[in-house]
Parts: sequence; structure tokens; C-alpha cells
Amino acid sequence: GAVVSQHPSWVICKSGTSVKIECRSLDFQATTMFWYRQFPKQSLMLMATSNEGSKATYEQGVEKDKFLINHASLTLSTLTVTSAHPEDSSFYICSAPKSPDSSYEQYFGPGTRLTVT
Amino acid sequence: SQQGEEDPQALSIQEGENATMNCSYKTSINNLQWYRQNSGRGLVHLILIRSNEREKHSGRLRVTLDTSKKSSSLLITASRAADTASYFCATDAGGNNRLAFGKGNQVVVIP
Repeated sequence: GAVVSQHPSWVICKSGTSVKIECRSLDFQATTMFWYRQFPKQSLMLMATSNEGSKATYEQGVEKDKFLINHASLTLSTLTVTSAHPEDSSFYICSAPKSPDSSYEQYFGPGTRLTVT
Repeated sequence: SQQGEEDPQALSIQEGENATMNCSYKTSINNLQWYRQNSGRGLVHLILIRSNEREKHSGRLRVTLDTSKKSSSLLITASRAADTASYFCATDAGGNNRLAFGKGNQVVVIP
């Protein structure tokens, strides 16, 4: 079946630095990908929709200048957390629709654990 | 975006028992999905039920949907230790393939 991968699986960085997280669809093309963040013991919160060939669409309250999204190709979206702070520590998960007409069924990446010290 | 909301539950059951969890939402939907998340991992799609369906089965899973009450339930029959995970419902209320997730139910199956 289709697989979505993320890299890295975990990262520790110092406050003030930037971190890039990659999301790849391995055996299918994804014109759209989604980025979520999840705090411990909480649900997933949608951050933004990554669109191949155009700007990302951010959810209300998500700072687009802090969370930079680039959908470089039909199989790769990147999320860059700029000037990271401890409160950005979270589990970041990406997903891609199974198909353009998937009725919303999505494949999820394994997630990236970000710890900002 | 609107969130599906489960009744907060942390279930602890014996292997072989059934596990039931609920989900409620606020706005009209076209479909509702259930996902499983093992600790520290991504989500795995379990089942999708459309708004014109009332019940759906997949293996040991049974999902019901009551659009008049804006609620859904997930039943796992004959639970196994491997079913230990968090379970989330998600609706298409966000539009444009965007999912709105509920709070999640943590299920622990004791061998």
C-alpha cells in the first residue's frame, strides 16, 4: 500500500535555530499534503495544507512566517520551524490524501518528534 | 475548523473483551473516519463511514453513525493486546480534504 515517510523521526535543537522536516509520498503522487502538530496526550491539530506549485494554506492562528512550508515536488513537502523555541516542541505529523477523490481518507507519516532546548 | 469530539475515555479492558468508544461532532458531514495511533507513531486508517450509512463492519471493527445525533461509535470485538492504542475519529468538516480530529480515546488491552 501507499506509504508516507518523514525525516527525521526525531530531532533536538537549540532555541533560536531552525529545523526542517521532510514528508515524502513514496509510491504515489500527492498534490496536496497536510501538516499537523500533536502535543502529548492530545489530538492532532491541523496546521496547514501544503499545495504543490502554490502557496500553503494555513489554519487560523498558525504563524506562516514561523512554520514555512514548501511543496517542492509531487512527492515532497517540507516544514521548516524557524527560530524554534521550547514551546514549539511537539510531535509533527504529515499526511497525504489517498487519491484526489479519496473522500478524505489519508495516509499518515510516522511523525517527527521535535524537542527544542 | 470544527472538531469531532469523543467523550474522553481511557479504557482498560481484558483481552477478549469488547471495547466501545464514542465520538460526537457539531456540523454536517459527508463522512467520518476512525484512525488508530500507536504510542509515538503516525495514524493508521481503520474505517470510513459515509453520511448515508448507519453501520459498517471491517473485520473485528464495527462503526455506527447517527447523523441525527451527530455521533459515531467504534466497537472492537474480541480485543487483543495489539489493539492497545489511541483511537481518533475525524470528520471532513474542514472541507478541501482537511480533517478535523476528535480528542481521542486511549485503549489498553491487558493480556
